[in-house]
Amino acid sequence: DGGITQSPKYLFRKEGQNVTLSCEQNLNHDAMYWYRQDPGQGLRLIYYSQIVNDFQKGDIAEGYSVSREKKESFPLTVTSAQKNPTAFYLCASTSGRETQYFGPGTRLLVL
Amino acid sequence: DQQVKQNSPSLSVQEGRISILNCDYTNSMFDYFLWYKKYPAEGPTFLISISSIKDKNEDGRFTVFLNKSAKHLSLHIVPSQPGDSAVYFCAASAGGGSEKLVFGKGMKLTVNP
Repeated sequence: DGGITQSPKYLFRKEGQNVTLSCEQNLNHDAMYWYRQDPGQGLRLIYYSQIVNDFQKGDIAEGYSVSREKKESFPLTVTSAQKNPTAFYLCASTSGRETQYFGPGTRLLVL
Repeated sequence: DQQVKQNSPSLSVQEGRISILNCDYTNSMFDYFLWYKKYPAEGPTFLISISSIKDKNEDGRFTVFLNKSAKHLSLHIVPSQPGDSAVYFCAASAGGGSEKLVFGKGMKLTVNP
């Protein structure tokens, strides 16, 4: 059945390390998104992609990078430049004319 | 500058009563509004949406009301059930679809048995 998967569920990052969060969808959606959620905060947009091989910065893109080589996949890399990476990361996708569907999330913790 | 505001961080209601969750927005270009429900450590799930051409949309126990002149929308849940206890996010977009959503900070609803 169709949906969005994110892996891993929990991820630990050491100081100075880059880590990559996976997001895959089989909904045939063109647009995909990465959000970050912090306690007491709403969802803040990190990056989004409306089509393969193209992506745009969201509101808080500093310290993050993405790629969109395939329609189904939109991985997010949290680089060492991101000084406060501890958060819950959510991936979403949409066809545009309906709601955004969300994955189950990845919690990133710093060791 | 927060374009979508959920000014009350939490709400507690008794089972069977009405829950009213409020949301205000500042951007007059917003024309599509959504409510999501989120449990801890899970992704948000879509609840209900409304286009700016309507002032009400109903789906079972959930009704969303839109007051464009006041730039205000509300979600009514009747009757409230303990399983409704979650964080509710209001979101808005311009352009009639959900391609670029702006989210509020969320409101935690607790429904007491």
